[in-house]
Amino acid sequence: DAKTTQPNSMESNEEEPVHLPCNHSTISGTDYIHWYRQLPSQGPEYVIHGLTSNVNNRMASLAIAEDRKSSTLILHRATLRDAAVYYCILRDFGANTGNQFYFGTGTSLTVIP
Amino acid sequence: GAVVSQHPSWVICKSGTSVKIECRSLDFQATTMFWYRQFPKQSLMLMATSNEGSKATYEQGVEKDKFLINHASLTLSTLTVTSAHPEDSSFYICSAEKNLVSYNEQFFGPGTRLTVL
Repeated sequence: DAKTTQPNSMESNEEEPVHLPCNHSTISGTDYIHWYRQLPSQGPEYVIHGLTSNVNNRMASLAIAEDRKSSTLILHRATLRDAAVYYCILRDFGANTGNQFYFGTGTSLTVIP
Repeated sequence: GAVVSQHPSWVICKSGTSVKIECRSLDFQATTMFWYRQFPKQSLMLMATSNEGSKATYEQGVEKDKFLINHASLTLSTLTVTSAHPEDSSFYICSAEKNLVSYNEQFFGPGTRLTVL
């Protein structure tokens, strides 16, 4: 499975935008880019996913580079409840795959009041 | 929405005993569920893929005889940790796959914290 690289940690001030980067230089044509986040002692929560085009939802925006070798999760206004570990995961929807998620180390986001 | 529950949320057991953890999809049917393990300060590690009505597929290095998985219905998968030892203490998380129109999304349970004394 294609791997992702994320910074171990980032900080943001409350109510400011946050840009969380993810590198996935070995991404294949059938890999979707997913973002999940995990609060302490909880299961991961879906944030957003995309394939080629930028995506927006109520939680965040996903900006995907034209060559798809990197992406950025954008939280438009960070709140204290956004403090979590954010995982960027590639999932292959090609034939003969099991749709498994293989989590990397993620980025621990600290939001400063 | 889609809700996945786990039971129990935490369990403490003696070394050598077996522990069963349930994973339920409450408002959708899931032919595929996944089991993960997470040690403190580490990421989630996929243990196995559970398919309804068939044997689970285990990831490399995961002992299938120690971690028994049963996916007997479209809403329930169970993980049994047999002859548990302190090194099996961990946070166990399941997820269930929901078939959407053009995408299969995974919904995660809240996790079960296992402590083996």
